[in-house]
Amino acid sequence: DADVTQTPRNRITKTGKRIMLECSQTKGHDRMYWYRQDPGLGLRLIYYSFDVKDINKGEISDGYSVSRQAQAKFSLSLESAIPNQTALYFCATGGTGTGTDTQYFGPGTRLTVL
Amino acid sequence: QKEVEQDPGPLSVPEGAIVSLNCTYSNSAFQYFMWYRQYSRKGPELLMYTYSSGNKEDGRFTAQVDKSSKYISLFIRDSQPSDSATYLCAMTETSYDKVIFGPGTSLSVIP
Repeated sequence: DADVTQTPRNRITKTGKRIMLECSQTKGHDRMYWYRQDPGLGLRLIYYSFDVKDINKGEISDGYSVSRQAQAKFSLSLESAIPNQTALYFCATGGTGTGTDTQYFGPGTRLTVL
Repeated sequence: QKEVEQDPGPLSVPEGAIVSLNCTYSNSAFQYFMWYRQYSRKGPELLMYTYSSGNKEDGRFTAQVDKSSKYISLFIRDSQPSDSATYLCAMTETSYDKVIFGPGTSLSVIP
């Protein structure tokens, strides 16, 4: 089984709809991240969480919200989706105490907003 | 100016070639440098990790960091078709800071 899973893997929705992307991990890591990837722009950080009670905005948090339901679960919501939120979304985890910020990525969710 | 810039590619080389992938950055506080490899329709995976300046070798891969020039490189020797992927450089100030990624370079190794 994959260490970091994302659901759904693909989603097509319409402008104005509320969407939730979910991420679960079995690595036991404290840190979790949400990124979006766009061609030519690379990975951009949306939100990150260093533990269950910690939520931080990243580079591009406007239009997004997150919830850290448990150490293993971190969900991303688009309250009112718009077409320029069409992108590939990745969840990642990182462990403390390793001395590095190695991040382990999920397989991604391809979101299309019409 | 973007904080991390990377050769845009795409790069296409014949099998067996030496590949050089490069990134430049503007933040002199970056100390931890990473290369991630991303296959099509997959999430990125860590390939190489280097702290501060110097070289690190792992099999056919060598990572170089030149902090004085704010320049990092990944060399792939004897490239294989299985190396075809997008390569993302990444860096951070401390081991627990946010990681800043470059936009990625797409590499195709032709048999």
